[in-house]
Amino acid sequence: DAMVIQNPRYQVTQFGKPVTLSCSQTLNHNVMYWYQQKSSQAPKLLFHYYDKDFNNEADTPDNFQSRRPNTSFCFLDIRSPGLGDAAMYLCATSGRTSGGSKETQYFGPGTRLLVL
Amino acid sequence: KNQVEQSPQSLIILEGKNCTLQCNYTVSPFSNLRWYKQDTGRGPVSLTIMTFSENTKSNGRYTATLDADTKQSSLHITASQLSDSASYICVVSAGKSTFGDGTTLTVKP
Repeated sequence: DAMVIQNPRYQVTQFGKPVTLSCSQTLNHNVMYWYQQKSSQAPKLLFHYYDKDFNNEADTPDNFQSRRPNTSFCFLDIRSPGLGDAAMYLCATSGRTSGGSKETQYFGPGTRLLVL
Repeated sequence: KNQVEQSPQSLIILEGKNCTLQCNYTVSPFSNLRWYKQDTGRGPVSLTIMTFSENTKSNGRYTATLDADTKQSSLHITASQLSDSASYICVVSAGKSTFGDGTTLTVKP
């Protein structure tokens, strides 16, 4: 089945220790997004790629970086995680596929990050 | 500022009952409105998507309505099941997507 995969599902890191979260997709979508979601809050868009074009949200901290080496993979790098960065990180994709809506975002299961 | 407001914030109903969740928005111009279901600890899953010209869309026991004039949408759940317990998120797009904070639904036996 075509899907959005996130690894790992749970990630524990230490305060200040760099961490990388990964996302892959088999939907062949050209747009990939990274969201941060804290408890009982709406997902907050950090940045997205339209093909290889990187689009950063104005209020995304410099601590958060992203890489998209190819269509299928996208990475979220947190250079120096703080306690406030503990959250669920959601990867999503969108794009034209047969039978699918261009606008619908398909979300992965998320990676829950814990910062000790 | 584009906003999406959902009500109620939380809702508890008995299994088998119907319920309706509300979404009011100020996003303009309007492209589409989507309802997602998010189970605890999981990513959101799309339920419905409606464009400006659509005023109702169904997906099984889920029926979404849209009134673009009053900028209101509702999600009606029929014959609720225990598995309907989740957060329901309304997302309105005008190029960029604006998320509501969600309604947490709990279905009790």
